[in-house]
Amino acid sequence: NAGVTQTPKFRVLKTGQSMTLLCAQDMNHEYMYWYRQDPGMGLRLIHYSVGEGTTAKGEVPDGYNVSRLKKQNFLLGLESAAPSQTSVYFCASRERLAGGPGQFFGPGTRLTVL
Amino acid sequence: GQQLNQSPQSMFIQEGEDVSMNCTSSSIFNTWLWYKQDPGEGPVLLIALYKAGELTSNGRLTAQFGITRKDSFLNISASIPSDVGIYFCAGPASGTYKYIFGTGTRLKVLA
Repeated sequence: NAGVTQTPKFRVLKTGQSMTLLCAQDMNHEYMYWYRQDPGMGLRLIHYSVGEGTTAKGEVPDGYNVSRLKKQNFLLGLESAAPSQTSVYFCASRERLAGGPGQFFGPGTRLTVL
Repeated sequence: GQQLNQSPQSMFIQEGEDVSMNCTSSSIFNTWLWYKQDPGEGPVLLIALYKAGELTSNGRLTAQFGITRKDSFLNISASIPSDVGIYFCAGPASGTYKYIFGTGTRLKVLA
């Protein structure tokens, strides 16, 4: 099992450019999440999905879009990158069962917007 | 909304010492999770707690689910240099599929 994988690992963008971050999981998990982590602020939820074809907003969704066309993949898009989106992005997944073992995280994508 | 407060924010300890950290909330949680994040990596689940009063160990780590369900504690015994990292507590936000994370306790171990 690869668990949760994220591509790319690093990326530098110029303001206004667009990009897509890919998250893939091979654990057949129903729920998937995108977080951003900034110094001193912990993990903040951007968007999440409770199943294929469904997405929902988290606490900081502005400037991001997501899609879950396949159960194993969760894509995070930045349509027009801004310096405020410089951050480390983490994807996570978990099974549907309540009281289960919590979320499994990917290794992260470091994004710098100049 | 629900929030998790972690204490201390950071700590330096000598190798071999025991470490204690806690996580508190003004709201009740039905599950408490403790994660560790190594530098440059994603968080990894250490311990999950599901019942008030529960005490669970994972090697040198022991975590407790507070009786009031508003707090949890993590202890590390005989710390070693590889214990360095950020420790997060987390819990499911009531009535949602989302998780709430604390801001973390940054641990540094002096050899």
